[in-house]
Amino acid sequence: DVKVTQSSRYLVKRTGEKVFLECVQDMDHENMFWYRQDPGLGLRLIYFSYDVKMKEKGDIPEGYSVSREKKERFSLILESASTNQTSMYLCASSSRQGKNTEAFFGQGTRLTVV
Amino acid sequence: SQQGEEDPQALSIQEGENATMNCSYKTSINNLQWYRQNSGRGLVHLILIRSNEREKHSGRLRVTLDTSKKSSSLLITASRAADTASYFCATEREFRDDKIIFGKGTRLHILP
Repeated sequence: DVKVTQSSRYLVKRTGEKVFLECVQDMDHENMFWYRQDPGLGLRLIYFSYDVKMKEKGDIPEGYSVSREKKERFSLILESASTNQTSMYLCASSSRQGKNTEAFFGQGTRLTVV
Repeated sequence: SQQGEEDPQALSIQEGENATMNCSYKTSINNLQWYRQNSGRGLVHLILIRSNEREKHSGRLRVTLDTSKKSSSLLITASRAADTASYFCATEREFRDDKIIFGKGTRLHILP
């Protein structure tokens, strides 16, 4: 059974803290994504990685960075957490083999910044 | 900026009725996908339609794509309580290196 696993379901952090959200996939996928989901705004792409050490900004990268040192792991980093980063964060992966492939999602991390 | 825009934002129908959701997008695409999300959990892929296809079926799901109008529709026939969820369209944009961009979603509620 294919799997994308996010390290935490719920996380509470203080303003100014450095926060790491981890995502691991076991499908040998090349592509990995970080989205945030907010009510009424749907899913917005934060960062995308298509290979180890490769990354591209999505639509809302400000305040975030990412790390992809190994193919199976994609980390989202909040350098200095702020209350407006309170949100649901979703990680996904997809294959580059052939075109037209679906994304597989983790269960999400609900982050609260206080 | 978001690529897809679903319509309606919310939909309530009686169990057994058909549910139709629409999606409009802005730029040329490689494919369009529909996903379901139950109660704020991760998304599950439902169906993918390529830019050269016009209609696709999967069980009780029927998806159409009109690239000239940059729009798609998802039809769920004979709805069930378990279909209550949020539904999102997502596009893989042409020439954009596999990025998948989502819309804001439609909340579907099936009434018993």
